[in-house]
Amino acid sequence: QVQLRESGPGLVKPSETLSLTCTVSGGSINSSAHYWGWIRQPPGKGLEWVASVYFRGYTYYNPSLKSRVTISLDTSKNQFSLKLASVTAADTAVYFCARGGIVAPFAPWGQGTLVTVSS
Amino acid sequence: DIQLTQSPSTLSASVGDRVTITCRASQSVLSRLAWHQQKPGKAPKLLISKASELESGVPFRFSGSEFGTEFTLTISGLQPDDFATYYCQQYNSYPWTFGQGTKVEIK
Repeated sequence: QVQLRESGPGLVKPSETLSLTCTVSGGSINSSAHYWGWIRQPPGKGLEWVASVYFRGYTYYNPSLKSRVTISLDTSKNQFSLKLASVTAADTAVYFCARGGIVAPFAPWGQGTLVTVSS
Repeated sequence: DIQLTQSPSTLSASVGDRVTITCRASQSVLSRLAWHQQKPGKAPKLLISKASELESGVPFRFSGSEFGTEFTLTISGLQPDDFATYYCQQYNSYPWTFGQGTKVEIK
């Protein structure tokens, strides 16, 4: 049974770069069968897809965030990561990692990690 | 981008009620429409994929249907555990999008 867990700083200063890692267990991310992605949820609001990556390194970004986002795979650690540059308070959210993205819904999901942007 | 519009935004119901949530897509998603349930402080959980296919372990009181670009999630016989927020999600076209959510509250 695949499980995902997010990790990273819970507090980031404005204008800095948010960095999160998702560790996958119970399955390999180096598989042609799945995509892997990040979704975020500002406090009290809905879900917003951020980025997805495929095992060959193909990447997909939300157009509204594309200029600031990078997603990458580390197959040796069975992890994938998210970097979001030049953050502002509007980037404060719970960030979830999940499997899925193209022709497959997001599932399962990690538990989520709250990232607050504040000085 | 494909816009997903859910209605209602909030739904007040009692245990045992039959409730229906609607998700309208701005264009075809070829049945690639999922429903997720989210409880406060928790991650979303996939209930239904391909518009009507129930995920393993999801109670049969949940069902999904499709008519063109209109999708519905029905809970037949609401249980206390079902009070939550429900999101539709399309996974047919980049960028992948979610509806704004429907909160099911206790009446």
